[in-house]
Amino acid sequence: EDKVVQSPLSLVVHEGDTVTLNCSYEVTNFRSLLWYKQEKKAPTFLFMLTSSGIEKKSGRLSSILDKKELFSILNITATQTGDSAIYLCAVEAPVDKIIFGKGTRLHILP
Amino acid sequence: DAGVTQSPTHLIKTRGQQVTLRCSPKSGHDTVSWYQQALGQGPQFIFQYYEEEERQRGNFPDRFSGHQFPNYSSELNVNALLLGDSALYLCASSSVGDRGFMDNEKLFFGSGTQLSVL
Repeated sequence: EDKVVQSPLSLVVHEGDTVTLNCSYEVTNFRSLLWYKQEKKAPTFLFMLTSSGIEKKSGRLSSILDKKELFSILNITATQTGDSAIYLCAVEAPVDKIIFGKGTRLHILP
Repeated sequence: DAGVTQSPTHLIKTRGQQVTLRCSPKSGHDTVSWYQQALGQGPQFIFQYYEEEERQRGNFPDRFSGHQFPNYSSELNVNALLLGDSALYLCASSSVGDRGFMDNEKLFFGSGTQLSVL
C-alpha cells in the first residue's frame, strides 16, 4: 500500500532557529514529491521535486529529494512566527492520485 | 482571477442525513480532486473528476459520490452521514498537461468546507 510518513508530527522552536522536517515514502511508480504549507484551511504549494539531489530553494525554505533512500527533507532557516503552520508532504501515485502524510505541526515561539 | 471556491464554508448535519458540497475550479483548470482532512490528519484522496467522469478513486465507500459539470465545477455528495464523516473537505483543481498528466505544480486548493455531523 502506498504511504507517506512525516516526522516529527509536532515541533516547537524559537524564532531564529533552523528546522528540518522529514518525509519518507513508499509509492509504486513515483512521479513527484510535493511540499505544502497549511496555515488555516487551504494548503499552499511550496515545492515539487522529481529528481534526486537537486535542491530547490525559495527564500529561507529549501528542499531536497533522495529517490534511492525514498525520503525528502524541508529546511527552514532563521524561522519567523509566520512560519507557524502545518507542513504537508505528498507523493504522486499513479495516475494523478496524490497521497499526503499526516503533516508536521510547526510552532515558532517569539 | 478567482481561485478555487468552495461552498458552503461550514455545515452541520445529523447522522443519516445527506450532504452536497460544491467546488468551482480556478479559471483555466479542468480537473477537480476532492480530499477529506480529519482533525490532526493529512488530506485523504476521495476521487478526481476530469471530462465529467470519475478518473481516480481513493479508498472511500460508495456513500461518497461526485459529479463534474460541463463548466468544470464539481459536487461531492455524501449519503447516510456518520459521525466519522466530520472533517474538512478540500477541493483542488489543476489541468491536464500535454502528456496527459495532471500538472501538480499548478494544483490549487480551496479553503474547504468544514462538515460537522452530530
